[in-house]
Amino acid sequence: EADIYQTPRYLVIGTGKKITLECSQTMGHDKMYWYQQDPGMELHLIHYSYGVNSTEKGDLSSESTVSRIRTEHFPLTLESARPSHTSQYLCASSETGGGHWSQYFGPGTRLLVL
Amino acid sequence: KNEVEQSPQNLTAQEGEFITINCSYSVGISALHWLQQHPGGGIVSLFMLSSGKKKHGRLIATINIQEKHSSLHITASHPRDSAVYICPLNSGGSNYKLTFGKGTLLTVNP
Repeated sequence: EADIYQTPRYLVIGTGKKITLECSQTMGHDKMYWYQQDPGMELHLIHYSYGVNSTEKGDLSSESTVSRIRTEHFPLTLESARPSHTSQYLCASSETGGGHWSQYFGPGTRLLVL
Repeated sequence: KNEVEQSPQNLTAQEGEFITINCSYSVGISALHWLQQHPGGGIVSLFMLSSGKKKHGRLIATINIQEKHSSLHITASHPRDSAVYICPLNSGGSNYKLTFGKGTLLTVNP
């Protein structure tokens, strides 16, 4: 069973607040990802990481930032939340090396910015 | 035109029915995945395919690279199969970045 965790699961916060969404995995995966998903819509990659100290922006522009100081931890930060940031944020990880690997997804964080 | 198109967008079935969900794509791919997303938002990886067919329990996934088409079949469907099914692609030579479509919402009634 995949061991990838996200906290909080739900967050309601006011405009202008700084927030950090946590993501941790215990599988030792080098690759980690953040996706954003609006209701009824497809997932969009907003950040990914090959490993420690490696982060890249994804296909969808996002005002969020990420860091990867430890293999198991990939937090996402919004410095000043806005209503347009309201969405579901999903974290995932996959093994490294050649070939293709399934991605393991966390349960997601539903963010509502008032 | 989206790179990934799924059909149908919505599907309602009775318990026990055989279900087929289709995925067509317009780009070269190196692998195609089938994911299941439950109403709570959690996503489970069902299959990863680059050719042929895979089976796991009541689920069967097939892919035809020449026709750029994949299908997910569910035999003896059950209400717990109700979920959104998504078929993201590894395209453009990437073995990690996925391209997603909107998915197919399946509802299985008892």
